[in-house]
Amino acid sequence: DAGVIQSPRHEVTEMGQEVTLRCKPISGHNSLFWYRQTMMRGLELLIYFNNNVPIDDSGMPEDRFSAKMPNASFSTLKIQPSEPRDSAVYFCASFAGAGYTFGSGTRLTVV
Amino acid sequence: AQKVTQAQTEISVVEKEDVTLDCVYETRDTTYYLFWYKQPPSGELVFLIRRNSFDEQNEISGRYSWNFQKSTSSFNFTITASQVVDSAVYFCALSEAKEYGNKLVFGAGTILRVKS
Repeated sequence: DAGVIQSPRHEVTEMGQEVTLRCKPISGHNSLFWYRQTMMRGLELLIYFNNNVPIDDSGMPEDRFSAKMPNASFSTLKIQPSEPRDSAVYFCASFAGAGYTFGSGTRLTVV
Repeated sequence: AQKVTQAQTEISVVEKEDVTLDCVYETRDTTYYLFWYKQPPSGELVFLIRRNSFDEQNEISGRYSWNFQKSTSSFNFTITASQVVDSAVYFCALSEAKEYGNKLVFGAGTILRVKS
């Protein structure tokens, strides 16, 4: 198993541009989570899905952020328009009974 | 609501010293899970251990050991004979068992610096 796959690994974009982060969970895992890590706020849960359905999006900071999970093998986190304060590492994780597996993260820099 | 507190922001030790990282949690649930993750300088989150709320036995894995005490809502992590490679950020986390998914909440993390 290749684990949780996130792309891209690094993204540099200009303020105001749309950014899309992608995640492929481990096959058979029925829950998927998006986290954001910053120095100031640590690891924050943004949103999580169970069986492709969004369960809790209370951590999504603003309407500029949206997430989708169209099927069990793919999820996206979109920021439109992006702002410099969105610069962070974004982690995706999937969950099955044994525990959580995290992807390698996407380091987003908005200039 | 669930909450995890790691009061130690940063710890510095000299190689071969023992070090304990503290974790205190809050939850209203009787069924929950506790975790420790390691984040080395490369940035990935490495799973170390998971305990469920019904298993208070301490665990030892090589130089690592964990002390779970429900009476004090603590799940502390000890590294024996620390090594430079142990330098990382360590996160304690809590997950409540819910019908729809299991939300994992992290503490702020403790930076461990092991000097040679």
